[in-house]
Amino acid sequence: QQQVKQSPQSLIVQKGGISIINCAYENTAFDYFPWYQQFPGKGPALLIAIRPDVSEKKEGRFTISFNKSAKQFSLHIMDSQPGDSATYFCAASLIYTGNQFYFGTGTSLTVIP
Amino acid sequence: DGGITQSPKYLFRKEGQNVTLSCEQNLNHDAMYWYRQDPGQGLRLIYYSQIVNDFQKGDIAEGYSVSREKKESFPLTVTSAQKNPTAFYLCASKGVATNEKLFFGSGTQLSVL
Repeated sequence: QQQVKQSPQSLIVQKGGISIINCAYENTAFDYFPWYQQFPGKGPALLIAIRPDVSEKKEGRFTISFNKSAKQFSLHIMDSQPGDSATYFCAASLIYTGNQFYFGTGTSLTVIP
Repeated sequence: DGGITQSPKYLFRKEGQNVTLSCEQNLNHDAMYWYRQDPGQGLRLIYYSQIVNDFQKGDIAEGYSVSREKKESFPLTVTSAQKNPTAFYLCASKGVATNEKLFFGSGTQLSVL
């Protein structure tokens, strides 16, 4: 059973546009929601993360929007650049009661110049 | 530089052969993880260890084995019982102090000859 569902599977955006990736989760006990960015042949790296006590977190061009009642969260990449072309994974975990991270299936983002 | 080192970057396995993937970290992290990445399936947890000489099965542990004899090392053995081993394998670690952030290595691509 997929604990975290991610969409779309792939996304093509023009340079300067907004990229939006969505995730939904089932377990209401999850209390940490990170996004990871992965370039081909490399390991994922933490991009931005949010706790459920806030509805939005912004770091530069990257914003997480969090909707606790809908059990959904999304990543927005503003002014998308070709260098943002990568695979993005959302994840969820229980920080203080466990050490497991549950990952979405990933979104391959291509930003066209 | 602190980080996680995975080796080798590419590995080939023959039928009936066991192979071992290396993962070393110098971040002084207590928890270490092994994930398997297949196209379109995200990251799936194989094994994780929260302390030396202790480890737990993840979602897809069958056909794999691990050891945690030292804090900095968490090798993964892909046994001959794993019938479909071709995948990208990622090692990760997390500290207690940095309770949230999962650090990844650069991965090992395993292929079957």
